[in-house]
Amino acid sequence: NAGVTQTPKFQVLKTGQSMTLQCAQDMNHNSMYWYRQDPGMGLRLIYYSASEGTTDKGEVPNGYNVSRLNKREFSLRLESAAPSQTSVYFCASSEWWGAGETQYFGPGTRLLVL
Amino acid sequence: EDKVVQSPLSLVVHEGDTVTLNCSYEVTNFRSLLWYKQEKKAPTFLFMLTSSGIEKKSGRLSSILDKKELFSILNITATQTGDSAIYLCAVEAQSSNYQLIWGAGTKLIIKP
Repeated sequence: NAGVTQTPKFQVLKTGQSMTLQCAQDMNHNSMYWYRQDPGMGLRLIYYSASEGTTDKGEVPNGYNVSRLNKREFSLRLESAAPSQTSVYFCASSEWWGAGETQYFGPGTRLLVL
Repeated sequence: EDKVVQSPLSLVVHEGDTVTLNCSYEVTNFRSLLWYKQEKKAPTFLFMLTSSGIEKKSGRLSSILDKKELFSILNITATQTGDSAIYLCAVEAQSSNYQLIWGAGTKLIIKP
């Protein structure tokens, strides 16, 4: 089992460019999450999908969109990147919504917006 | 506003020392507190605590929760260089619709 996989591992964008971060899990989990991690601020939830077919905003959704493509895949899109979106992005999944102890994380995507 | 505060933000100790990391929280309708370890990449789960006074233990790591004073501690005894990491605390609460509220983390460096 690969667990949670993310692509790309690292990306450099210019302000205004768009990109999609991909995430997939092979644990048959129902819930999936996108976080960003900035120095001194811990993890902040951008969007989540409690179950296939649903998505909801988290703490910091502005500038992002998501798609729960199927049970395995959950993508995060930046339509017009801004320097404030420079961060490390983590995708995570859990068996059920609210099951924090089963939240498994991907290896992260380091994004630099110039 | 819900919040989770960890202290210290960073800590440098020598191998063999014992360390105590702190996590305090202010949330409505607390459900659980979780500790994660983050080495170079993804955070990995350590403990989940739901009841006061019951110690969770795994090898040299242990953790306990005080729901009256609203904090938890994570102890690491006989530290090793492999314990160097960021230790994250997160809280689940009804007030946040059970989204995890994360602290900023404690960066622990173990010197040989």
